[in-house]
Amino acid sequence: DAGVIQSPRHEVTEMGQEVTLRCKPISGHNSLFWYRQTMMRGLELLIYFNNNVPIDDSGMPEDRFSAKMPNASFSTLKIQPSEPRDSAVYFCASLQQSSYNEQFFGPGTRLTVL
Amino acid sequence: QKEVEQNSGPLSVPEGAIASLNCTYSDRVSQSFFWYRQYSGKSPELIMSIYSNGDKEDGRFTAQLNKASQYVSLLIRDSQPSDSATYLCAVKDLGTGGFKTIFGAGTRLFVKA
Repeated sequence: DAGVIQSPRHEVTEMGQEVTLRCKPISGHNSLFWYRQTMMRGLELLIYFNNNVPIDDSGMPEDRFSAKMPNASFSTLKIQPSEPRDSAVYFCASLQQSSYNEQFFGPGTRLTVL
Repeated sequence: QKEVEQNSGPLSVPEGAIASLNCTYSDRVSQSFFWYRQYSGKSPELIMSIYSNGDKEDGRFTAQLNKASQYVSLLIRDSQPSDSATYLCAVKDLGTGGFKTIFGAGTRLFVKA
């Protein structure tokens, strides 16, 4: 299995620009999670989907952040407009809802907003 | 607010020693527990899962779970410099509409050669 795939791996942009991060979960997994990780705040859950439906977006910091999952194999996280404080590593993770709930992470996207 | 607590460290142990990483959680009904390893600049990697009270061994790693005390630990025997990483404790949480995972802040481990 290819694992969770994220793109791009690195993104450098200027303040005010729109940023779109992409994720392809592991085939057969029905839940998808977006996390943000910084040195100061650690790993934060932004939003998660179950069967393509957003379940909990309470971690999304502001209205500038939005996420979609149009089908079982693709999700996007969009920041518009971006700000320097959005600089972080963004991880996507997926799992198969079951009694075990083992979650697997993608390689992450390192975002730098200048 | 459900929480997972870990000592942030750093925990420093000599090569060949046993490293002991500890974690407590607040939700009494939690049933599934995980340890992730994260190398600097990399994504978290699942290394151990434990669901029942007691010990679970996998190679040099042993996970220990005590649900009555709401405590889970990870022992690394014969620690190697390559074990130097941040270890994240995680707990399954049944939220509305599906499960999610709550992560601790992580413990940084240094294994000195």
